[in-house]
Amino acid sequence: DTGVSQDPRHKITKRGQNVTFRCDPISEHNRLYWYRQTLGQGPEFLTYFQNEAQLEKSRLLSDRFSAERPKGSFSTLEIQRTEQGDSAMYLCASSFRQGNTEAFFGQGTRLTVV
Amino acid sequence: EDQVTQSPEALRLQEGESSSLNCSYTVSGLRGLFWYRQDPGKGPEFLFTLYSAGEEKEKERLKATLTKKESFLHITAPKPEDSATYLCAALNYGGATNKLIFGTGTLLAVQP
Repeated sequence: DTGVSQDPRHKITKRGQNVTFRCDPISEHNRLYWYRQTLGQGPEFLTYFQNEAQLEKSRLLSDRFSAERPKGSFSTLEIQRTEQGDSAMYLCASSFRQGNTEAFFGQGTRLTVV
Repeated sequence: EDQVTQSPEALRLQEGESSSLNCSYTVSGLRGLFWYRQDPGKGPEFLFTLYSAGEEKEKERLKATLTKKESFLHITAPKPEDSATYLCAALNYGGATNKLIFGTGTLLAVQP
């Protein structure tokens, strides 16, 4: 399978714990995006990388959230001191660098904070 | 403020009953309009990209069209397997920004 891969698919954690998610983009793609989706809503933009550089961050990305993309390959999204409001589906997408090309999404990581 | 609005929120059709979903947008720096299909518990699946007013794209029973203010997803003779949430997104691209702005989706149910 050469699509976008996310791990884990599901994560249940206690409030206050730290969690980390991983995204492996399509290999030729140098742009990588993180989105968050809550029930009944469309995905909301969190951040995006071009190669290893994090070029944009949403106001939704509080200081408890950090994303990295070392060497411009896979990416990680870490949430520190999780809160119940962090419960959501976290989606990763990737695309080519050139202009308006399509972004392809992974299957997401469903986070539940109890 | 950049915004994408989809209607209706939910749509129930009988198998074979054609209809259209609407996506209206106000986005500065618009560079493309995307349609995705999303099944429960899964990530969005890419369907179409439209770049300019008047453009149309087709895939099986689906056809997407674009005007300067809105896009339509036409579903012809739908089947139960077309049941899903259909998401519309506008690509805001320019300068330091490059992001899809999504609507809240239309939940389509096709009954046999």
